[in-house]
Amino acid sequence: EDQVTQSPEALRLQEGESSSLNCSYTVSGLRGLFWYRQDPGKGPEFLFTLYSAGEEKEKERLKATLTKKESFLHITAPKPEDSATYLCAGFTGGGNKLTFGTGTQLKVEL
Amino acid sequence: DTEVTQTPKHLVMGMTNKKSLKCEQHMGHRAMYWYKQKAKKPPELMFVYSYEKLSINESVPSRFSPECPNSSLLNLHLHALQPEDSALYLCASSRPGQENEKLFFGSGTQLSVL
Repeated sequence: EDQVTQSPEALRLQEGESSSLNCSYTVSGLRGLFWYRQDPGKGPEFLFTLYSAGEEKEKERLKATLTKKESFLHITAPKPEDSATYLCAGFTGGGNKLTFGTGTQLKVEL
Repeated sequence: DTEVTQTPKHLVMGMTNKKSLKCEQHMGHRAMYWYKQKAKKPPELMFVYSYEKLSINESVPSRFSPECPNSSLLNLHLHALQPEDSALYLCASSRPGQENEKLFFGSGTQLSVL
């Protein structure tokens, strides 16, 4: 059974305090590992797709990396506006299925 | 235009009502999805349409009935729902088979069943 696990469940950071979120996965036929950001009451907002081990992608203060078993979302010098739930998801092209992890709720305080 | 538009944003219905959720995209995407999300939980896949044909039904109760009238529109018809069906209903779309395929999500319909 496809499984995506994220840790920690919740993370509280001070502004400027860098950290990493973890996503471990066992997804058969994985075509891509997605990262999304979700604000309360809104739909997930696409951040990154990673396709192969060793791949890295960056966007502003966020950097996503992928190994054969897990992905990390590194947040450098976060700001309060980075507060959100960050979801990772494994995508299997056969059937177009996206299996989400439970998310990490990030709160960045001044 | 990279938007998926969902209407209504909020819906309150009784258990005997019939209502519909609507989703529209004009990105030329040929795969469309319905997800259900309970508070503080990840989205759960309900249905996938690929080229206007239902390709995945994740054993969803028949009180939820999806419809894809054309490549830009996706509906979810609701009938005789239960209070536990209250959730955020998310629509998404993607271009299937593309190298850089990614799902774009709408803002969702917050449904409350009384």
